[in-house]
Formats: sequence, structure tokens, C-alpha cells
Amino acid sequence: ETVLTQSPATLSLSPGERATLSCRASQSVSSYLAWYQQKPGQAPRLLIYDGFNRATGIPARFSGSGSGTDFTLTISSLEPEDFAVYYCHQRANWPRSFGQGTKVEI
Amino acid sequence: QVQLQESGPGLVKPSQTLSLTCTVSGGSITSGVYFWAWIRQPAGKGLEWIGRVSTGGNTDYNASLQSRVTISLDTSKNQFSLRLSSVTAADTAVYYCARDLGHQGPEDVWGQGTTVTVSS
Repeated sequence: ETVLTQSPATLSLSPGERATLSCRASQSVSSYLAWYQQKPGQAPRLLIYDGFNRATGIPARFSGSGSGTDFTLTISSLEPEDFAVYYCHQRANWPRSFGQGTKVEI
Repeated sequence: QVQLQESGPGLVKPSQTLSLTCTVSGGSITSGVYFWAWIRQPAGKGLEWIGRVSTGGNTDYNASLQSRVTISLDTSKNQFSLRLSSVTAADTAVYYCARDLGHQGPEDVWGQGTTVTVSS
């Protein structure tokens, strides 16, 4: 199984600041890495797919980069609604797997 | 716009079979090259991919659950379902259904989730 390790576990920032989240895969996932945002009591929402493509309706302040085993999600300027848990997810290898999440808190 | 909604018992006894249904609205479950997936999340923990079924009925399962899980389509009702046998407390979680874009991308549309508790 491909293990996805996210860092840091928690990121404490203020609105307007830049957030940089990391996801490292135990083996190559090529560019087949996605990022999801999850708020309490809600389902995950797709933000980025295939490394850097923003999903429909996702603001431009969210961007993704990386390939192979190292990936980054950047939120250029945090809005109050961006404080949530973020998961990375790979679909390159079976079974599909998720990282353990990074909590972005105020 | 496609929407998904999970339904099923919220409480299941240990050793019994968990059965959930996902109803798809706003589009046909047999259209396109989509797959239909189940993912779960224990309280306060991360996400675990359970498996998926194609529009043609082919399935892929997480090897850790494969001996206990069945995912199937009911095209007449525009639904797909999850059955997980021999459940234990470790199967207590929020269960999500989702549309999987297959080769075109990951799971992009999710249901709101349903909580299943395994307890006697």
C-alpha cells in the first residue's frame, strides 16, 4: 500500500497568511495526487487533482505542485473559511489511499 | 448536477452485516466512464478507501477489507450499495459514497455521509 505522510500535523496561522502543506508518498504516484478540504461535520471537498489542477469552483488562492513522491498544497492568503483539515489522496497505486490530514487552525 | 445520498441502519450488531445504499440523483449511474465508490472515516480519524464499482459492474476493493466487502449496482433504482460482513467495533465510522472519475480523476462528488455504529 502507498502510504501518504502529511506534514505538519497542525498549522497555526492567521487570516491573510500563506499556508504550505506537504504530502510525501512512500512510492511514486506520478502526478495522480489530489487534495481535499474537510470541515467539521461535512464531507471532503475536492480542491486539486492530478497534482496541480483546480477542481471546478475552487478559488485561485489554492494551488498544488509536485510529482513523484513529494507534493505541496499552497493557500496563498488564508481566508476565514479556509481553516479546516486538508487531506492528500493518491489514485496511482492500489489500494487508493489518503494521508492522515493537516489541520489548519487560527 | 449530480448529488449522492447515503442511507441505511445507523446501528449494527457485532458479527452482523452492514448494508448501506447510495442514491444518485441528477444523472444516470450508468452514464459516462465513472466508478462509484465507498470511503469511510472513524470519528476523529482519517479517510479509508473501501472500494468501487464500475458502470459495467466490475469491482475493486481495498485488500484489507476484500474478504468482507461487496459493492454492487442497482441500475433500475439508480443506486449502488455496500455490504460489509462480520463487522466489529473497528468498523464504526462515517461512511461516504462518492463518484470516482476513474482515469479522468479522483472522487469528485461525495454524499454527506452516514454514521454507522457497531454495538450490541
